[in-house]
Amino acid sequence: GQNIDQPTEMTATEGAIVQINCTYQTSGFNGLFWYQQHAGEAPTFLSYNVLDGLEEKGRFSSFLSRSKGYSYLLLKELQMKDSASYLCAVKDSNYQLIWGAGTKLIIKP
Amino acid sequence: DAGVTQSPTHLIKTRGQQVTLRCSPKSGHDTVSWYQQALGQGPQFIFQYYEEEERQRGNFPDRFSGHQFPNYSSELNVNALLLGDSALYLCASSFVGEEKLFFGSGTQLSVL
Repeated sequence: GQNIDQPTEMTATEGAIVQINCTYQTSGFNGLFWYQQHAGEAPTFLSYNVLDGLEEKGRFSSFLSRSKGYSYLLLKELQMKDSASYLCAVKDSNYQLIWGAGTKLIIKP
Repeated sequence: DAGVTQSPTHLIKTRGQQVTLRCSPKSGHDTVSWYQQALGQGPQFIFQYYEEEERQRGNFPDRFSGHQFPNYSSELNVNALLLGDSALYLCASSFVGEEKLFFGSGTQLSVL
């Protein structure tokens, strides 16, 4: 079967750095996505990785290792508004998105 | 520029009834995907429409059907509702070949 694993919940302090990990086992790989979802709202796109390495975009960075089936999302200089769920999703060999259950990130002052 | 809009925002139905959810994609987008998201879970892919045809389908029964209109808007129909159909239904639009999805705020369906 296809599986995407992420921690259920993480807590971090305002101004700090947090890394949210995602491991995947899918039938094929055509890219990995990170989305942010605030409670009661729609998911919003954060990043897309299809090649190994680090993609940096402002305070957010995403890393991919295809050989290890592993990705992480790195959030720097955390702000209270970063409190949200972070969803990892992989596009499989059929170009369908397989989603993880999401990591709820709690930011404390 | 309006983003993805969905209606209604909330809906309450009873078992056995039928429901229709609607979605208007972001301006310039031609592809619409529908997802079901249970509380505390990630979205589950239902199906995708492009050029008024169902292009891909996830692991959902035939009770779930859809349609795309010439103006790219879309409907999701669910027949013979079950309690387990209670979820947030998300519509996402994109331009064909583009990886980034834009999501609507969803329709919260409760089946009693």
